[in-house]
Amino acid sequence: EVQLVQSGGGLVKPGGSLKLSCAASGFTFSDYTMNWVRQAPGKGPEWVSSIGSGGIYIYYAESVKGRFTISRDNAKNSLYLQMNSLRAEDTAVYYCATRRTGSDNFDYWGQGTLVTVSS
Amino acid sequence: HSVLTQPPSVSGAPGQRVTISCSGSTSNIGTGFDVHWYQHLPGTAPKLLIYGNNIRPSGVPDRFSASKSATSASLAIIGLQAEDEADYYCQSYDSSLSDYVFGTGTKVTVL
Repeated sequence: EVQLVQSGGGLVKPGGSLKLSCAASGFTFSDYTMNWVRQAPGKGPEWVSSIGSGGIYIYYAESVKGRFTISRDNAKNSLYLQMNSLRAEDTAVYYCATRRTGSDNFDYWGQGTLVTVSS
Repeated sequence: HSVLTQPPSVSGAPGQRVTISCSGSTSNIGTGFDVHWYQHLPGTAPKLLIYGNNIRPSGVPDRFSASKSATSASLAIIGLQAEDEADYYCQSYDSSLSDYVFGTGTKVTVL
């Protein structure tokens, strides 16, 4: 059974930093492109970032480019999102999600972790 | 940012058919990018319901079906059941934004 278990959310002040983690099991982690998708309160989901299976191909949404860093550790079956210079508009539930290389849909999602940016 | 437009809500009695529309543009659905659908119960992990416009992953009941035409797509639930009450989102890729884009979401209520 595919499992994506997330951790690391919480309340942070504007300008602060936070690191999210996603521990994967039940599939060959190193075969999949991994992604972060967020959903702000009352809005539809928004793709945030993707990292290829080998960790080389990395992409960001314009809204987070230069502030967020995605990374993965295939030996630990884990995905990370380092979020710096956080803004109020980054407040959202963040999900990690799998995507088969070459496809453009998200197969499996984590349970989500809430990030609240507020003073 | 929700580039794809969905109705905020649809409702139906058990056993009825409901449809959810997803309106895009020539830079996403109209370019030929596939449309995918997700079911989401708040507080849980979203679930892939339909991929590649009309393909159900293993385990998804066949009362869910989808289609795509021009710059829009639709999801149909035939024989609505109480457990179908959830939020539904469409998703595609946008070549102008170079982003994966999602719909605004539709809440399905079973009366």
